[in-house]
Amino acid sequence: AQSVTQLDSQVPVFEEAPVELRCNYSSSVSVYLFWYVQYPNQGLQLLLKYLSGSTLVKGINGFEAEFNKSQTSFHLRKPSVHISDTAEYFCAVSDQGKAAGNKLTFGGGTRVLVKP
Amino acid sequence: AAGVIQSPRHLIKEKRETATLKCYPISRHDTVYWYQQGPGQDPQFLISFYEKMQSDKGSIPDRFSAQQFSDYHSELNMSSLELGDSALYFCASSLGPLDTQYFGPGTRLTVL
Repeated sequence: AQSVTQLDSQVPVFEEAPVELRCNYSSSVSVYLFWYVQYPNQGLQLLLKYLSGSTLVKGINGFEAEFNKSQTSFHLRKPSVHISDTAEYFCAVSDQGKAAGNKLTFGGGTRVLVKP
Repeated sequence: AAGVIQSPRHLIKEKRETATLKCYPISRHDTVYWYQQGPGQDPQFLISFYEKMQSDKGSIPDRFSAQQFSDYHSELNMSSLELGDSALYFCASSLGPLDTQYFGPGTRLTVL
């Protein structure tokens, strides 16, 4: 069984300031890690993913995340946010090597509100 | 390239009615996943299909059933609808069960 904890339910941030969204996970097996963004009244869009290799992953829209296996974390960062980054962000995990299917387990989401 | 298509985008039903949600995966994608996102909640996995066979099952009520057809599109059938079924239903597709999932825009179901 897996679980994902997003430590902040809401993060207010001023435009052009940096932001970090925290994500910790728990799993008895190795996992893949993902960050998805959900804009108001829209579906989920993949921001970035960690499958293997370099622990620093770069995604779309200037976001990056770092996988820390010892701390079981996958925190998302952006050095300078825009108003358009206002959205809900979901961290998710899936089992590695589960050939029959790879359902995603999501965290509770972090709502980012960028203020001018 | 076209993304995942879901229809209808919005659906309003009465209690105890039946609803059918459709999902058309990205071209060549053979794996489909269904998720339910209640108001203010994170998406919860319902069921998935790979090559037209059910591959995994989550917290899907017995009142719900789903299948994947020969053209890989999938339908989620929901019967005896309850108020608590009101949610956003997402479909995601992938090229194989280990590939990244790409989500559709969702179907918003409202049960009155």
